[in-house]
Amino acid sequence: QVQLQESGPGLVKPSETLSLTCTVSGGSISSYYWSWIRQPPGKGLEWIGYINYSGSTNYNPSLKSRVTISVDTSKNQFSLKLSSVTAADSAVYYCARISWFPGSSWYYFDYWGQGALVTVSS
Amino acid sequence: DIQLTQSPSFLSASVGDRVTITCRASQGISSYLAWYQQTPGKAPNLLIYAASTLQSGVPSRFSGSGSGTEFTLTISSLQPEDFATYYCQQLNSYPWTFGQGTRVEIK
Repeated sequence: QVQLQESGPGLVKPSETLSLTCTVSGGSISSYYWSWIRQPPGKGLEWIGYINYSGSTNYNPSLKSRVTISVDTSKNQFSLKLSSVTAADSAVYYCARISWFPGSSWYYFDYWGQGALVTVSS
Repeated sequence: DIQLTQSPSFLSASVGDRVTITCRASQGISSYLAWYQQTPGKAPNLLIYAASTLQSGVPSRFSGSGSGTEFTLTISSLQPEDFATYYCQQLNSYPWTFGQGTRVEIK
């Protein structure tokens, strides 16, 4: 059974860089795409971006100038860095696996981590 | 960006009720739509992808339909564990976006 686990600081100061890592167990990080999604407390979901097994990325334009997603296949991990954070970046951050119906572009997020609450505050 | 508007935003229903949630896209997205269920304090859980394909392990009382700009999620007989918030997501074009959510509560 595939499992994902987010890790990283729960408190980040304004203007600093938020860093989170997602560790994948029960399956290889290769052959899939991997994504970050966030959810401010009491609000809806926002897709941040994804990275594929070869390292190609796609970011939400609303965050693109501040986001970097990277992958470390040797550790079965992928990571998120979000720079110049403000209070508006306070949220639960989820990592998720992206799968697709074979031979199609029907993508979906089939495995999610439990989420990591990150608060931006001095 | 493609906007997804769910209706209603909130609904109150009883166990055994048939429930329908609508998701409307601001432009056509073919059938590149997924539905998720989220309970408080938990991560979203995939219910349906490609608008109407039931994810493995999801009870058959859940079904999805639609294409283009209008989609529905139907729960044929609401169970106690179904009280949650439901989100639609479009994966037709970047950035991928979610609806604002529909909260289903016990009447």
